[in-house]
Amino acid sequence: AAGVIQSPRHLIKEKRETATLKCYPIPRHDTVYWYQQGPGQDPQFLISFYEKMQSDKGSIPDRFSAQQFSDYHSELNMSSLELGDSALYFCASSLGDRIGHEQYFGPGTRLTVT
Amino acid sequence: GQQVMQIPQYQHVQEGEDFTTYCNSSTTLSNIQWYKQRPGGHPVFLIQLVKSGEVKKQKRLTFQFGEAKKNSSLHITATQTTDVGTYFCAGPRDNYGQNFVFGPGTRLSVLP
Repeated sequence: AAGVIQSPRHLIKEKRETATLKCYPIPRHDTVYWYQQGPGQDPQFLISFYEKMQSDKGSIPDRFSAQQFSDYHSELNMSSLELGDSALYFCASSLGDRIGHEQYFGPGTRLTVT
Repeated sequence: GQQVMQIPQYQHVQEGEDFTTYCNSSTTLSNIQWYKQRPGGHPVFLIQLVKSGEVKKQKRLTFQFGEAKKNSSLHITATQTTDVGTYFCAGPRDNYGQNFVFGPGTRLSVLP
């Protein structure tokens, strides 16, 4: 079965650079979530989209932005990168906006800021 | 805002021993989900509990939702090395229940 695809899998950037992470949800899934996971920490919710509209916003810095496109893929844009942005970034997708839909996580993008 | 706590933070067990992780919320939850993340992997959905006092089993895993819907537990019977990983509970961020806040997780190590 098709899973959530994230690209790139690894990314190395320098401070103050920009980065764009991409997420391709499972076919027919209309909801996308972005999480940031630091070493040894739990996934921190950043932002989510349902039917191409932002549905919820978590601890996403103002330097970051995201959107969901007409084909339901999503991109997380990160600017003015800081050392503290180094983390695993997961995208997850689910079907529908009803309560409690299970989220399918992608393999993650490991971002290293030097 | 919504807070989800988990204990213990770490658990080391001998293979064959049982394991339990507990999840507590500061507020009543409409539902709770459990995820497992293997080392170097991504979170994988295990189960969702919705009803007060609900108990669900998946082979050696038993999930329970408290009567007040503010706590939950995951119990693994006779652990195996394949059970190694971090177990997260996740509760809805708000009443709409679409987005979730994860607990800090319990990292399980199983010694052969």
